[in-house]
Amino acid sequence: SQQGEEDPQALSIQEGENATMNCSYKTSINNLQWYRQNSGRGLVHLILIRSNEREKHSGRLRVTLDTSKKSSSLLITASRAADTASYFCATPPPNAGGTSYGKLTFGQGTILTVHP
Amino acid sequence: GAVVSQHPSWVICKSGTSVKIECRSLDFQATTMFWYRQFPKQSLMLMATSNEGSKATYEQGVEKDKFLINHASLTLSTLTVTSAHPEDSSFYICSAPVRTGALSPLHFGNGTRLTVT
Repeated sequence: SQQGEEDPQALSIQEGENATMNCSYKTSINNLQWYRQNSGRGLVHLILIRSNEREKHSGRLRVTLDTSKKSSSLLITASRAADTASYFCATPPPNAGGTSYGKLTFGQGTILTVHP
Repeated sequence: GAVVSQHPSWVICKSGTSVKIECRSLDFQATTMFWYRQFPKQSLMLMATSNEGSKATYEQGVEKDKFLINHASLTLSTLTVTSAHPEDSSFYICSAPVRTGALSPLHFGNGTRLTVT
């Protein structure tokens, strides 16, 4: 079963606005990752937040993690048309390590459309 | 940065034929690679873990005889869809962690769009 569930499924905003996407997961994790996928392409890693971190920034991206609620959010500030893509959260299996490193389960994704 | 190259980017084949998809790590060694399948507007589903020098590990429900994986070197993994049928039409994506450890992000190929007619 999917570890991550995201909402909204689709988000449409105007350039310059902020976009917030949420992800919930079910089991314990030691990190959570966000990826971006342009239509018909592979995924690009955006940011990784560890379970002992509550917030992390990277450029216009801000990720929060609430392990008590098993949820994370991705905020894109001052969005641009080029931010149009699908965004996925991903989590490793519980007790990840050894041969399971890198093995991620992806959420359903949020399709973000930024209108110029 | 680390680059994963996937080839071909798209392929159309007739039902009953086999198709091979290659995934290469261009500037790093990948002892492990992951193969995902993605249906339109859906998430990625992990199919199998490709291990260099040993057998692949398949996820539950994925037919190992249908989706043959070979990881013959530290930079190349191949996925062969055997006796393809229209229901195998999908977007296949490979990925590899750049480093060991549970905190390693994945680097993805650009995917292969398979259409079986």
